[in-house]
Amino acid sequence: SAVISQKPSRDICQRGTSLTIQCQVDSQVTMMFWYRQQPGQSLTLIATANQGSEATYESGFVIDKFPISRPNLTFSTLTVSNMSPEDSSIYLCSVEQGPGQPQHFGDGTRLSIL
Amino acid sequence: GENVEQHPSTLSVQEGDSAVIKCTYSDSASNYFPWYKQELGKRPQLIIDIRSNVGEKKDQRIAVTLNKTAKHFSLHITETQPEDSAVYFCAATLPGGYQKVTFGTGTKLQVIP
Repeated sequence: SAVISQKPSRDICQRGTSLTIQCQVDSQVTMMFWYRQQPGQSLTLIATANQGSEATYESGFVIDKFPISRPNLTFSTLTVSNMSPEDSSIYLCSVEQGPGQPQHFGDGTRLSIL
Repeated sequence: GENVEQHPSTLSVQEGDSAVIKCTYSDSASNYFPWYKQELGKRPQLIIDIRSNVGEKKDQRIAVTLNKTAKHFSLHITETQPEDSAVYFCAATLPGGYQKVTFGTGTKLQVIP
């Protein structure tokens, strides 16, 4: 399966600031996704990162808070904007290499907001 | 949308015993069901999956069964080992332009040596 590199692996941020998380894949993939995993919880899809067009956001997530870029088939970024302590979570990118293929996850970014 | 329920939330077994985790889904159109294992502080990793045209699939000590009529699927781990201790997530996938995956709430499995 594809090798997925996500950075930073963790960060501690001040309230009101923004952080951009990067996801790099070693091969071209059709789909890239961003998830949030709060402590002890399951994975919640934030959005699907579409190459060359705006991301598709799930209910409860908006572009102003979580802007996403996907400039090509191997790279995507997620920005967490105007952070508050409620945004403390693990953010994971995942990729789907082709139609009907399972998703594979990056190592995640553990984000703490003070 | 799809809703996936998973039980139990925690499970403790003695080493060597079997463990069973059960999931139900709501949308009969779901056609692909992966299972992920997440060790503490690590990424979720795919351990086995099953498609809707298959009733059972095995991979060494792990097996998954699917009952489409009842809309439930289960993960079976035999001869459990301490390294099986982790959180396990089931998921159901709806077909479409991209495969939208809905995850269950997770089962924390503890294998006691």
